[in-house]
Amino acid sequence: AQTVTQSQPEMSVQEAETVTLSCTYDTSESDYYLFWYKQPPSRQMILVIRQEAYKQQNATENRFSVNFQKAAKSFSLKISDSQLGDAAMYFCASSGNQFYFGTGTSLTVIP
Amino acid sequence: DAGVIQSPRHEVTEMGQEVTLRCKPISGHNSLFWYRQTMMRGLELLIYFNNNVPIDDSGMPEDRFSAKMPNASFSTLKIQPSEPRDSAVYFCASSLFPASGEGDTQYFGPGTRLTVL
Repeated sequence: AQTVTQSQPEMSVQEAETVTLSCTYDTSESDYYLFWYKQPPSRQMILVIRQEAYKQQNATENRFSVNFQKAAKSFSLKISDSQLGDAAMYFCASSGNQFYFGTGTSLTVIP
Repeated sequence: DAGVIQSPRHEVTEMGQEVTLRCKPISGHNSLFWYRQTMMRGLELLIYFNNNVPIDDSGMPEDRFSAKMPNASFSTLKIQPSEPRDSAVYFCASSLFPASGEGDTQYFGPGTRLTVL
């Protein structure tokens, strides 16, 4: 079975600063994908970024980037130039045979 | 594309009543997922369908819960009878399986907030 672990229940960052959210996973699948979803107070689950495990290059979407360490099974999310609108719950997820979500990290952005 | 559509957005009911939640997946997607989210238990997968067939319902908490997908564009999650502990946000998500190059990314609906009094 796959597991996804987010060890930081809460994080905070000063506006315009950079923050990194951690995620580790465990899988026996050889072909899988990794995701970060954002859930703002509106509750809508929004895809932030996606990484294909067979690609070594780290995915980037504007201010969001990942640090994918396949051997360590680590998949962290870096948010640069943090904005107030980034405040949300962030979920890490993996897919292979099934989709697995972590427990989430609540991010607070301090003005 | 309208995205995943869920209705109702909010539902308040009394214990013992039947509740039906509805979902319309993204057109062309062939996998559909029902999740429940609570503060205590986080995000839980209840059941998922592939090509309208239930594949894994091991997350369905009790016989009071049932889900159907009569066609590719519609699914329901029914709770009968409802209990206060069923109060949660219920999400529907859809994806294209096998992976289309998007890694079977799941796209979520806005959720239904259920309150059982």
